[in-house]
This record gives sequence, C-alpha cells and structure tokens, in this order.
Amino acid sequence: KAGVTQTPRYLIKTRGQQVTLSCSPISGHRSVSWYQQTPGQGLQFLFEYFSETQRNKGNFPGRFSGRQFSNSRSEMNVSTLELGDSALYLCASSLGRGYGGYTFGSGTRLTVV
Amino acid sequence: AQTVTQSQPEMSVQEAETVTLSCTYDTSESDYYLFWYKQPPSRQMILVIRQEAYKQQNATENRFSVNFQKAAKSFSLKISDSQLGDAAMYFCAYGYSGGSNYKLTFGKGTLLTVNP
Repeated sequence: KAGVTQTPRYLIKTRGQQVTLSCSPISGHRSVSWYQQTPGQGLQFLFEYFSETQRNKGNFPGRFSGRQFSNSRSEMNVSTLELGDSALYLCASSLGRGYGGYTFGSGTRLTVV
Repeated sequence: AQTVTQSQPEMSVQEAETVTLSCTYDTSESDYYLFWYKQPPSRQMILVIRQEAYKQQNATENRFSVNFQKAAKSFSLKISDSQLGDAAMYFCAYGYSGGSNYKLTFGKGTLLTVNP
C-alpha cells in the first residue's frame, strides 16, 4: 500500500511569506504528526492530529498551525516566515497511539531566504 | 520531561562486522515504547525496531537487535553482519503510551558509516 506522501518535496520562500505543507497518511491511519528537523535542534515535535482534532502540540510559536481533514489528510501552515524556519518538515502517520511505530514521509525541505 | 541521549555522534564499521549504537533516556513513566529509526540520504525515516517497556525480552528484527536495560534506562541497537545499505543516520526515540502525550522524543542521532 502507498506510504505517507508529503508535498511539495522542496520549497523556497521569502521571509515574511506564509507556506502550507501537505501530508497524506497511509490509508486507514487516523493519526498524523508533524516534526521539524534542523541540524541544530534535531527532530522536534510540532503537533499531532487524530480524527480532525489536535491531541498534542509542541513548543512552537503560534505562527505554526495545522489541521486535519475528514479523509485524514493534514496540512501545516507557517505564517510570517523567519529565516530560522528553514528546515525539513516531516509528517508521520499511525493507526492510533503510535504503539506500532509511526510511518514517516520523505519530508518537505523548506528554505526561507 | 522525557529526554533521549545518543552519545555517539558518529560511528563506523567494516562491512560484515557488528556495531552497537548507544541510547539512554530519562523518564518517570513505567509504560512506554522505544524505537530505533534509520534516516538514509533519501530523508525518509524508516522504523528499524521497536521495544515495549513492559516486555523483558529484547526485540530482534533480522540483523538488528536491541539490548534494553529498563533499570538503567538504556536502549542500544546492535547491527550484525553490517551491509553498505545500513549506512545512514540512526535515531533513538521514546514514546509514552499514556495520557494525551501522543508524540515521539528523539535523540540527536548517530551517523553510521559502513566501510567496504
């Protein structure tokens, strides 16, 4: 079956703009999580959605937001981009609480110039 | 707060040899899950192996096995008969199975090089 699909793969934005990233989970997976990966901070949890409800949120400013649709697809939005938002954004899906492990997508590489 | 520490930023191993990657974690919980993920240059995080904290038996997946020491809060990964395709960044991750804490906490990673 198809894996976790993230679009786009690469993105270049200008400081101050906003961006929307998309994630389609594995069919049947209702939980979608987002992580930010940078060389300095490593992998940091952004937020997690289950059945269109945000269940958990990481320590990121309000400029970072997300949502999940009824088909479990998820989007994350970053407004008023800063240079420090340049990172690899990874999406992961799981059946429920993630006991069996999360399946990750290949990520979206965001560069803010 | 839970923390995960990988003390080896880089490791190297000869093809066909065995290598062990270290991971320690800190938690006050008793029921949790531990994972090792592999991230090759393609960027996709691939689940290598998982361990449930309530199970005393160490998990094994083909050439990959773990040494889980719950009291010491240690979770090392052993790769036997290393192959060139094992070269990647390896991340240790902790997941708490209770409450509303639906997330993974990752270590900083260990870059594994496999020499032919």
